[in-house]
Amino acid sequence: QQPVQSPQAVILREGEDAVINCSSSKALYSVHWYRQKHGEAPVFLMILLKGGEQKGHEKISASFNEKKQQSSLYLTASQLSYSGTYFCGTEREGGSQGNLIFGKGTKLSVKP
Amino acid sequence: ETGVTQTPRHLVMGMTNKKSLKCEQHLGHNAMYWYKQSAKKPLELMFVYNFKEQTENNSVPSRFSPECPNSSHLFLHLHTLQPEDSALYLCASSQAGYPNYGYTFGSGTRLTVV
Repeated sequence: QQPVQSPQAVILREGEDAVINCSSSKALYSVHWYRQKHGEAPVFLMILLKGGEQKGHEKISASFNEKKQQSSLYLTASQLSYSGTYFCGTEREGGSQGNLIFGKGTKLSVKP
Repeated sequence: ETGVTQTPRHLVMGMTNKKSLKCEQHLGHNAMYWYKQSAKKPLELMFVYNFKEQTENNSVPSRFSPECPNSSHLFLHLHTLQPEDSALYLCASSQAGYPNYGYTFGSGTRLTVV
């Protein structure tokens, strides 16, 4: 079952913040976040595992609410380099190893 | 060479052709994946291999045939494709049991079926 991402697209000015949400109707074991720039491969940002946690590096962080089967990606003080499409990928609890299903993506555009 | 390498980068094939996509990873990972990326269905999981064994076939038509001869190489054999199969085909790898490192994707093969 494909996770649902929102919003579909967002436009920011440099320095503004954004939140991207990812929700699933199934119990989750993990949530991955990736960023893909146009014409390039998706790049791994972080993974959050069952147990409910928050992670972050630099100005990009994420949370995982296990009870609600939701994850949010937080981008603070956005930079031009943050532009791209952000995908969440989910692994179901009890699912087979490596069955990572991605959402449709959120296109983020950061303008000067 | 490091990372995940896919060849060719671009491929145009007729509906009656047979071709193969190649993926090679130099990361020592033990799991490899094929994903299809199109405008309609971004990042659609096709096949999963763990320790060279296929563990997932996400209802992919038989005109796509994967092969994993060893943990470093993954192929996708194509035959009698349809125009709707035109897409970016991405290979990825990961280390099963070490989820904190996520998946590493290759740059993909842009396939056009004419």
